Amino acid sequence: AQSVTQLGSHVSVSEGALVLLRCNYSSSVPPYLFWYVQYPNQGLQLLLKYTTGATLVKGINGFEAEFKKSETSFHLTKPSAHMSDAAEYFCAVSDRSNYQLIWGAGTKLIIKP
Amino acid sequence: KAGVTQTPRYLIKTRGQQVTLSCSPISGHRSVSWYQQTPGQGLQFLFEYFSETQRNKGNFPGRFSGRQFSNSRSEMNVSTLELGDSALYLCASSLDQGDEKLFFGSGTQLSVL
Repeated sequence: AQSVTQLGSHVSVSEGALVLLRCNYSSSVPPYLFWYVQYPNQGLQLLLKYTTGATLVKGINGFEAEFKKSETSFHLTKPSAHMSDAAEYFCAVSDRSNYQLIWGAGTKLIIKP
Repeated sequence: KAGVTQTPRYLIKTRGQQVTLSCSPISGHRSVSWYQQTPGQGLQFLFEYFSETQRNKGNFPGRFSGRQFSNSRSEMNVSTLELGDSALYLCASSLDQGDEKLFFGSGTQLSVL
């Protein structure tokens, strides 16, 4: 069965610092991987996704993620944090057998001024 | 293009009552999924509808049900409400069944007293 683990329910960084949100997955088949972001009082929106091809994926708002098969990881990064990045971030893996997304528990990103 | 619309935004009910939540997908989107989001459990998949048929179902009791109309609008119903049903209920639409690019509404915050 597929699963997703996000390390850290809360991550705090200073404005301008590197953002690193960790996501590890388990999957018996080549995975499709996703990062979604949820701003306060809003629904989730897709940040980026990896399906096939280039393992470094660029998304919206300056975020990117790298698929590392050997490490079963899909960590999300941004070189310089902005106050507007404060949100909850969800990693997900697609179960291609039934088209369901398996979700991580989420990581709340806190930006310190 | 209007986004996914969920009504009502907030709902307060008492134990034993039933509730109906509504979701209007993005125009042209034919698939609607429902999720329950709680601080402790994260995002839990409830069900997915496509072409008025339930295509996938998560691990929830039969008190949770849904339907989809010919215009792709969807409703979910929870009967005999329990305190543990208090959660944010999110609806997401996508173009087709199994499309992992989901567009979420802002959710309905249900409080069961």
